[in-house]
Amino acid sequence: GAGVSQSPSNKVTEKGKDVELRCDPISGHTALYWYRQRLGQGLEFLIYFQGNSAPDKSGLPSDRFSAERTGESVSTLTIQRTQQEDSAVYLCASSLDQGRYEQYFGPGTRLTVT
Amino acid sequence: AQKVTQAQTEISVVEKEDVTLDCVYETRDTTYYLFWYKQPPSGELVFLIRRNSFDEQNEISGRYSWNFQKSTSSFNFTITASQVVDSAVYFCALHAGTYKYIFGTGTRLKVLA
Repeated sequence: GAGVSQSPSNKVTEKGKDVELRCDPISGHTALYWYRQRLGQGLEFLIYFQGNSAPDKSGLPSDRFSAERTGESVSTLTIQRTQQEDSAVYLCASSLDQGRYEQYFGPGTRLTVT
Repeated sequence: AQKVTQAQTEISVVEKEDVTLDCVYETRDTTYYLFWYKQPPSGELVFLIRRNSFDEQNEISGRYSWNFQKSTSSFNFTITASQVVDSAVYFCALHAGTYKYIFGTGTRLKVLA
């Protein structure tokens, strides 16, 4: 079946512009996660959705970052007024539910802020 | 606090050698889950295994084996007879209590032909 998809795969933007990243989870997966991975680094948790509710947004680095999810479907991560330090790969993962279930990751969006 | 430590930043082995990737975790929860993921050069993380805290049985899947020891809070991953295709970054992760998965910093494995 279809896995987690993300778009765009690559995004180059100028400093100060807004960007929107999209994630399509696996159908039926109620939990959805966003992570940031800087070059050669581990995964930095950003936000988690259970359905369309985000119980904890404390992982978002600043108020320039926001995310939303439509039902148990598509999620978008928006970064406003991008900065060079936002350059990273943004990974989305979904799981059947939160907790004991494994996560399935998308291919990521590589964001480069020039 | 919950934490996952992968002390080995990078390991290089020659093809056909066995290699063990270490993972040490910290949690006060009695119920928790441990995971290993593989991130090949293509970039997409792939789920390898999940263990719960009540099952300390070691597991073997082909050339892969996992050793879970609660006494030392470790969940180590061994690849037997390594192959070039095993070259990747491997992440250990913990889920306990909250909805967050705590990932280690990863171990980069290079298998040389």
